[in-house]
Amino acid sequence: EVQLVESGGGLVQPGGSLRLSCAASGFTFNSYWMDWVRQAPGKGLVWVSRINGDGRTTIYADSVKGRFTISRDNAKNTLYLQMNSLRVEDTAVYYCARKGGASGSYSDWGQGTLVTVSS
Amino acid sequence: DIQMTQSPSSLSASVGDRVSITCRASQYISTYLNWYQQKPGKAPKVLIYAVSSLQSGVPSRFSGSGSATDFTLTISSLQPEDFATYYCQQSYSTPLTFGGGTKVEIK
Repeated sequence: EVQLVESGGGLVQPGGSLRLSCAASGFTFNSYWMDWVRQAPGKGLVWVSRINGDGRTTIYADSVKGRFTISRDNAKNTLYLQMNSLRVEDTAVYYCARKGGASGSYSDWGQGTLVTVSS
Repeated sequence: DIQMTQSPSSLSASVGDRVSITCRASQYISTYLNWYQQKPGKAPKVLIYAVSSLQSGVPSRFSGSGSATDFTLTISSLQPEDFATYYCQQSYSTPLTFGGGTKVEIK
């Protein structure tokens, strides 16, 4: 059974940093592209970032480029999102998601971790 | 960026009703269109991928159709567990984008 378990969320002040983790199990982690998707309270889904299986290719939404860094440790089956220079508008539930087959849909999601940026 | 426009943003329906939600892409996305269901406090779950392919385990009352820029999710006979918010998503190009969501409520 595929499992994705996020951790690392919490309350942080504007300008602060936080690192999210997503522990994966039940599949060959290094064979899959992985994404982060966020959802502000009461709002819709927004794609944040993507990384390929070996970690060499990363893509970011313009809204987080230069502030967030996606990475992975395939030996630990863990995906990360380092978030720096956090803004109030980064407040959201952050989900990690596994990119499925050729269609590019998300076949699996974590339960999400809440990041609150507030003074 | 490809904009995804969903309609309606909300609808009220009764158990047993046939419900359709539409999604329009701002440019051609081939068959890279997926549909998700999200219930309050839960992660989204994929229902349909590649326009019309039913995800394993998803009831056959869900179906998808469309092509190029215009797509539809249909629930043939609404069940109590189907009351949720539905999102379309294009996976044709990054940045991946979602529609604004359609909240399906009980009439």
